[in-house]
Amino acid sequence: GNSVTQMEGPVTLSEEAFLTINCTYTATGYPSLFWYVQYPGEGLQLLLKATKADDKGSNKGFEATYRKETTSFHLEKGSVQVSDSAVYFCSVETSYDKVIFGPGTSLSVIP
Amino acid sequence: DVKVTQSSRYLVKRTGEKVFLECVQDMDHENMFWYRQDPGLGLRLIYFSYDVKMKEKGDIPEGYSVSREKKERFSLILESASTNQTSMYLCASGKGRQGSDTGELFFGEGSRLTVL
Repeated sequence: GNSVTQMEGPVTLSEEAFLTINCTYTATGYPSLFWYVQYPGEGLQLLLKATKADDKGSNKGFEATYRKETTSFHLEKGSVQVSDSAVYFCSVETSYDKVIFGPGTSLSVIP
Repeated sequence: DVKVTQSSRYLVKRTGEKVFLECVQDMDHENMFWYRQDPGLGLRLIYFSYDVKMKEKGDIPEGYSVSREKKERFSLILESASTNQTSMYLCASGKGRQGSDTGELFFGEGSRLTVL
């Protein structure tokens, strides 16, 4: 069946460090891929997306590239800030509009 | 501004009670979803609906049912609440795989249910 796997958290980084959060998926057909973010005390919101192979999604300094050959969609940011502290969810929309999520990765950025 | 509204932010119910969670969206979206969010487990899909009166089971449908009589409203029903259904419930809506905004979901603020 369809599934999403993310690296285990929590992740703690110093400000200006490089961030990578790994995400791999299992899905049939040609899924669309997403990263959502949940800031403390807030609801989930879309961070970025990619709808076909080799697409790169980007927003707020975050990037992720749709790698069909490795079924991956790793999230990266070159220099994190304290305001990036949040929980990050990788998500897959399958061919039949079903949207599933990974377990989430909690990120804490310390000054 | 787009909006997904969940009827109750906090509920406390007793084991065996019937529980209704309501969700309304004002974006004319085709698809609506119910998830539960638990620490360490992320969001798990309970049910989703791609059209009025249509529903599909998600990954954890046991103990739940849903109703979608109108396009804008999607209800989650716990026929007989149990303590293991204590959780945060999130409703979301989206356009589906049509148009350039394929797949993006918009979430409500969540309903935290405690079953005693």
